[in-house]
Amino acid sequence: GDSVTQMEGPVTLSEEAFLTINCTYTATGYPSLFWYVQYPGEGLQLLLKATKADDKGSNKGFEATYRKETTSFHLEKGSVQVSDSAVYFCALIVSGGYQKVTFGTGTKLQVIP
Amino acid sequence: EAQVTQNPRYLITVTGKKLTVTCSQNMNHEYMSWYRQDPGLGLRQIYYSMNVEVTDKGDVPEGYKVSRKEKRNFPLILESPSPNQTSLYFCASSSGQGGDYNEQFFGPGTRLTVL
Repeated sequence: GDSVTQMEGPVTLSEEAFLTINCTYTATGYPSLFWYVQYPGEGLQLLLKATKADDKGSNKGFEATYRKETTSFHLEKGSVQVSDSAVYFCALIVSGGYQKVTFGTGTKLQVIP
Repeated sequence: EAQVTQNPRYLITVTGKKLTVTCSQNMNHEYMSWYRQDPGLGLRQIYYSMNVEVTDKGDVPEGYKVSRKEKRNFPLILESPSPNQTSLYFCASSSGQGGDYNEQFFGPGTRLTVL
């Protein structure tokens, strides 16, 4: 079946450090890929997405590139802020009769001043 | 404002006492889902619905029921809650039309404790 594997957290970084959160996937079809963010006490919200190979999703300084050859969708940000502290989920959808979302287990990011 | 609402946000109950968590969306979405979030396990889908009167099991449906009598509402029912259903629950909806319309919109969550 479909699955998403994320790096274990928590990840602790100093403000302005470079961030990478690894995400790899297995899918039976041709998936769309997503990163969701969950701020403390809130529901998940879409951060960025990519729907085909070599697409780059970007938002709020975060980027991720859909790499079909390595089945990866790593999240990166050049300079993190304290306000980026949250849990980040990688997810995929394989199009079909029902677009079931498969989530990774989440990676908690803590940014310290 | 486009949103998914859930009620209640917090609930403490006892084993065996039936409860319902409501979910409503105002975006005319066809697809709605329930997830539970547990430490180390991420989000796991409980049930989903593709449209009115069309529901199906997700990955962890045992102990839960759902109904979809109206397009906007998708309540989650625990007929006889047990302590292993203590969790954080999220409702989500999407238009489900594929491509750019796959984005899931999540409610704020319901934290349930079963004693």
